[in-house]
Amino acid sequence: EAQVTQNPRYLITVTGKKLTVTCSQNMNHEYMSWYRQDPGLGLRQIYYSMNVEVTDKGDVPEGYKVSRKEKRNFPLILESPSPNQTSLYFCASSLSTRDYEQYFGPGTRLTVT
Amino acid sequence: LAKTTQPISMDSYEGQEVNITCSHNNIATNDYITWYQQFPSQGPRFIIQGYKTKVTNEVASLFIPADRKSSTLSLPRVSLSDTAVYYCLPWNAGNMLTFGGGTRLMVKP
Repeated sequence: EAQVTQNPRYLITVTGKKLTVTCSQNMNHEYMSWYRQDPGLGLRQIYYSMNVEVTDKGDVPEGYKVSRKEKRNFPLILESPSPNQTSLYFCASSLSTRDYEQYFGPGTRLTVT
Repeated sequence: LAKTTQPISMDSYEGQEVNITCSHNNIATNDYITWYQQFPSQGPRFIIQGYKTKVTNEVASLFIPADRKSSTLSLPRVSLSDTAVYYCLPWNAGNMLTFGGGTRLMVKP
């Protein structure tokens, strides 16, 4: 089944404890992206990647890191999480930059205390 | 970066046609316009995309005027299951993307 998977789905952590949210797609998509969703603010892009080893900042990159060493994986790293990073996170992918349909993962709900 | 403006919420009744308009005044020449649907606790789902004029698929139509500063998503004969949040997103994957706040559609029996 073609899909985007994220792990974990739920995470409660403490301030400053490094964490990684994994994202994987099995569709051989070139383009991948991370978003956060907060009430009243819609979906905001954190980072995106147009292909392996190519990443760029989105609208709200502060406090986050990403890497794209393989085509299928695009992990989101929070080196020192803070409470203002409590949010719902979505990973998405599309076939290429010329393909407008993004496929979204199920989301990761992160709480930082 | 194209900024979008949509109504915060809309109400409708089953069987009616619903039109949701999105304003994107500074859309770039290379941007396509995409629309997504999101149910609670799920990721957004792609509905339709277009560049100009009218596009229709099995679930919706998209109307884009010649100046492309707005677009209208049309949902024919909505049902209760169409209750969701709808987002427009100017798509240019070479640049950062920002969804607007979305329109919360409530379909009533």
